[in-house]
Amino acid sequence: AQSVTQPDIHITVSEGASLELRCNYSYGATPYLFWYVQSPGQGLQLLLKYFSGDTLVQGIKGFEAEFKRSQSSFNLRKPSVHWSDAAEYFCAVASWEYGNKLVFGAGTILRVKS
Amino acid sequence: SAVISQKPSRDICQRGTSLTIQCQVDSQVTMMFWYRQQPGQSLTLIATANQGSEATYESGFVIDKFPISRPNLTFSTLTVSNMSPEDSSIYLCSVRDGNQPQHFGDGTRLSIL
Repeated sequence: AQSVTQPDIHITVSEGASLELRCNYSYGATPYLFWYVQSPGQGLQLLLKYFSGDTLVQGIKGFEAEFKRSQSSFNLRKPSVHWSDAAEYFCAVASWEYGNKLVFGAGTILRVKS
Repeated sequence: SAVISQKPSRDICQRGTSLTIQCQVDSQVTMMFWYRQQPGQSLTLIATANQGSEATYESGFVIDKFPISRPNLTFSTLTVSNMSPEDSSIYLCSVRDGNQPQHFGDGTRLSIL
């Protein structure tokens, strides 16, 4: 079965500092990979996705993620964090073999200090 | 991407009552899903809403507790029946059209007294 691990429950970074949120998945085939963000009181917004091709994908709000098959990872990065990035971030995986159902990680709460 | 409207955005309900949540999409979509997000938790898929037929439920979720309707390609409802405090959660509708990624509504924040 698919599983997604986000090892960091909370991360605190200073405004302007770089950010990396970790995501590892357990899966046999090549999965489809996603990062979503949930701001307080809001639903989930898609930041970026990886289906195939270039392993470095660009998303909205200045985020990017890199798919590393050898490490079963899909880490999210941003070179300079803004206070408005404070939110909860979810990594998710899907595969045609499992009916394309999204499986979510536990989430990482990002706090930004000024 | 599709614009998804969920109603109500939040509610406070009495134990033993039922609440129906609506999800309206501004365009026809292939797939509609319902998720639950318990306090401090990640998202768990409740069921896939199938147009014109019974929903497909995930393990641990049953139709008697969470009846779902999907009369057309733009609308679905989820009912939370005979509510207890353990049902206090955020319930989210999401949609997917073809091979596109899933998009989510803003959710319904439900508290049971």
